[in-house]
Amino acid sequence: GAVVSQHPSRVICKSGTSVKIECRSLDFQATTMFWYRQFPKQSLMLMATSNEGSKATYEQGVEKDKFLINHASLTLSTLTVTSAHPEDSSFYICSAIGESYGYTFGSGTRLTVV
Amino acid sequence: AQSVTQLDSHVSVSEGTPVLLRCNYSSSYSPSLFWYVQHPNKGLQLLLKYTSAATLVKGINGFEAEFKKSETSFHLTKPSAHMSDAAEYFCVVSDRGGGYQKVTFGTGTKLQVIP
Repeated sequence: GAVVSQHPSRVICKSGTSVKIECRSLDFQATTMFWYRQFPKQSLMLMATSNEGSKATYEQGVEKDKFLINHASLTLSTLTVTSAHPEDSSFYICSAIGESYGYTFGSGTRLTVV
Repeated sequence: AQSVTQLDSHVSVSEGTPVLLRCNYSSSYSPSLFWYVQHPNKGLQLLLKYTSAATLVKGINGFEAEFKKSETSFHLTKPSAHMSDAAEYFCVVSDRGGGYQKVTFGTGTKLQVIP
């Protein structure tokens, strides 16, 4: 079946630094990738949708300059949290969709900003 | 418009009794529907999905769901709950409205299984 690999699974960074999270579709080409954020005890919140080779579409209220999304190829999308602050600490999850597959989720990244 | 409503934020059942997690959706297009499970500190795992084939969908771990268009529902059921089923469950609707893929998550239902 379809597999999406997300790295790292956990990261701790200092306030003011940037963190990059990778999302790779391992055995299929992902035409569209999605990035979600999950606050404690809440549902997933869609942050942005990215299509290969084009700019990501951000949901209302998501700062595009803070959460940089790059979908450089059909198998890789990255989310960079720039100048991270403690309030950015959260669980970030990517998902990918290809022509023959439904949504496949990565295992998530727990970001802690200290 | 696309939306999904999980009617119960918490469900508590005894081990060995049936599980029912309710989900209603709204979509202006032919939707795909999914149920995901999230165990504490883990990522999401797909339980099952409906994509316009059979309306009764069987998933992993004994779960199944029935797509009822007339009721706009996609409730998740399991005949007999196990302790390992305790987790949070998310209902998801997806469609390709307006030429682009859109997906909406429900707010989740926390399932508690009592020994």
